[in-house]
Amino acid sequence: SQTIHQWPATLVQPVGSPLSLECTVEGTSNPNLYWYRQAAGRGLQLLFYSVGIGQISSEVPQNLSASRPQDRQFILSSKKLLLSDSGFYLCAWSVGQATDTQYFGPGTRLTVL
Amino acid sequence: DQQVKQNSPSLSVQEGRISILNCDYTNSMFDYFLWYKKYPAEGPTFLISISSIKDKNEDGRFTVFLNKSAKHLSLHIVPSQPGDSAVYFCAARALYGGATNKLIFGTGTLLAVQP
Repeated sequence: SQTIHQWPATLVQPVGSPLSLECTVEGTSNPNLYWYRQAAGRGLQLLFYSVGIGQISSEVPQNLSASRPQDRQFILSSKKLLLSDSGFYLCAWSVGQATDTQYFGPGTRLTVL
Repeated sequence: DQQVKQNSPSLSVQEGRISILNCDYTNSMFDYFLWYKKYPAEGPTFLISISSIKDKNEDGRFTVFLNKSAKHLSLHIVPSQPGDSAVYFCAARALYGGATNKLIFGTGTLLAVQP
């Protein structure tokens, strides 16, 4: 069966510090991978998606970036965090288009102080 | 521009009664809709989906209805149980040139089922 891991589960970082969140998927090959953010009182906002290694599409302008160095690894990064980067970050995966369900990881709670 | 809207931020229902969660969308190109359930500090879990070629899909206590002419869908939970208390997100699929599968999420409705 497929599983998705995210770490860390929680993170408190000062403004201006770098960020690296990692997501890995097990039990499937060539998944589509996604990064979402849920800000306080808001819905899920798609940040990045990837259909393959090294292929990243950005949905919103921001100071975040994403990378996919391996088939089942997706990394969210920032060189300098802003207060507005605080939120709940979720990684998700899906396979193909016939099955359009996306499956989410447990999330990372990021607080920028 | 919010393409998927959940206008009720919260809903309170008595145990055993029906819960009805609503969702409206604006993009007529959406062709697949999903409902997710989310507990605090956890990732959303998939609940039920419906294709635009159908108007109803049922799975146990959960039924999703789609009214394409009104661009409206709803999730019915019957009977409601205290364990159903969570935030429910409606999502719609948008195909961009057939390249990938992107979901547009609503802002969620917090359902509280009272014992």
